[in-house]
Amino acid sequence: ETGVTQSPTHLIKTRGQQVTLRCSSQSGHNTVSWYQQALGQGPQFIFQYYREEENGRGNFPPRFSGLQFPNYSSELNVNALELDDSALYLCASRTGTVNTGELFFGEGSRLTVL
Amino acid sequence: EDKVVQSPLSLVVHEGDTVTLNCSYEVTNFRSLLWYKQEKKAPTFLFMLTSSGIEKKSGRLSSILDKKELFSILNITATQTGDSAVYLCAVSLYNTDKLIFGTGTRLQVFP
Repeated sequence: ETGVTQSPTHLIKTRGQQVTLRCSSQSGHNTVSWYQQALGQGPQFIFQYYREEENGRGNFPPRFSGLQFPNYSSELNVNALELDDSALYLCASRTGTVNTGELFFGEGSRLTVL
Repeated sequence: EDKVVQSPLSLVVHEGDTVTLNCSYEVTNFRSLLWYKQEKKAPTFLFMLTSSGIEKKSGRLSSILDKKELFSILNITATQTGDSAVYLCAVSLYNTDKLIFGTGTRLQVFP
């Protein structure tokens, strides 16, 4: 039990639609990052938020955006969905400003784009 | 480009066997190397390694890092069916929170 919960667990969308995925972290976890994990691959870093501001981004287009809220929850929004966006989306959080590398992952949201 | 490579991609063993999983990396600003176990969805933390040659142990699992040759191994002794999972290796860098993951090694342990 990591204390990080994600919703929904599964969802199906069609190309061109928009999706919002949600994450709720433990109290005090003021750093949250999102990863995309395609089938058979390792997770790929999308972006990170610290105290409600984005402070790191991977190689993902602007149609991937996020928000972090004061209550330790966050959102990942993806616009104009493409077939290749089908993946498991993982939220991970931690405390503090120093990156020790140990992240607490949620169970993920599995997105299927048809 | 920063990269992490794991081998083998897949491993099938019987209970009681010992396995060694490999992870090599080429990154700039290396901070630490981490191992995660992913059974269904959420990766769970196993080890974090920052110094060469210092073995970390947790029960039947152990891991060591070689910063000169840029690799790490994860050993599992006396494997059990509950060890069946994907084992992910990741590298953390200074000045970023980003973890760079390998593709993972899928371990299947049969009775």
